[in-house]
Amino acid sequence: NAGVTQTPKFQVLKTGQSMTLQCAQDMNHNSMYWYRQDPGMGLRLIYYSASEGTTDKGEVPNGYNVSRLNKREFSLRLESAAPSQTSVYFCASSEGGNTDTQYFGPGTRLTVL
Amino acid sequence: EDQVTQSPEALRLQEGESSSLNCSYTVSGLRGLFWYRQDPGKGPEFLFTLYSAGEEKEKERLKATLTKKESFLHITAPKPEDSATYLCAVQPPSNTGKLIFGQGTTLQVKP
Repeated sequence: NAGVTQTPKFQVLKTGQSMTLQCAQDMNHNSMYWYRQDPGMGLRLIYYSASEGTTDKGEVPNGYNVSRLNKREFSLRLESAAPSQTSVYFCASSEGGNTDTQYFGPGTRLTVL
Repeated sequence: EDQVTQSPEALRLQEGESSSLNCSYTVSGLRGLFWYRQDPGKGPEFLFTLYSAGEEKEKERLKATLTKKESFLHITAPKPEDSATYLCAVQPPSNTGKLIFGQGTTLQVKP
């Protein structure tokens, strides 16, 4: 039982390049989330998917797109990377519902030059 | 505006020196308050969920408590392996599933 896995672990991009961050969970969870973590800013929600087939914007969605490929997988795409998107990205999942616990992956450290 | 504030930002303790971390929140109709531990270079690891004022939960040297405006994470006789950043998050009623995080308290326990 791997929990939440993310690929890649590290990535360096040039401004304007695109890339997709992958996330998968094996806990049969309904809901999945993408956060970014920056020094002094805490964890901020980018997008979330309450259930398979649905996605919604979080606090900081600009510059990102997401795809809920199936119940297990939730990807985050940067179409044209900018230096302001340099951050650590975390994926999380939860059973879903009004009050439940989110479990986090190990993170992807992204640097945009 | 829903907000979570953690204090102190950083805390240095000697091994065995007990202390408390604070998480204050301004959310009406709290659905849940969560504590996570985060080690450098890793993702947050779930510790506790608290749902109502007066509730307490314990795990080894950690005990979390909740009032209507704040939560405390009490650390009793800490060990160096308790060194980490502790994150608090709240789930407001208007955003099902979404969490609002505080900035964290970085704890260092010296032997």
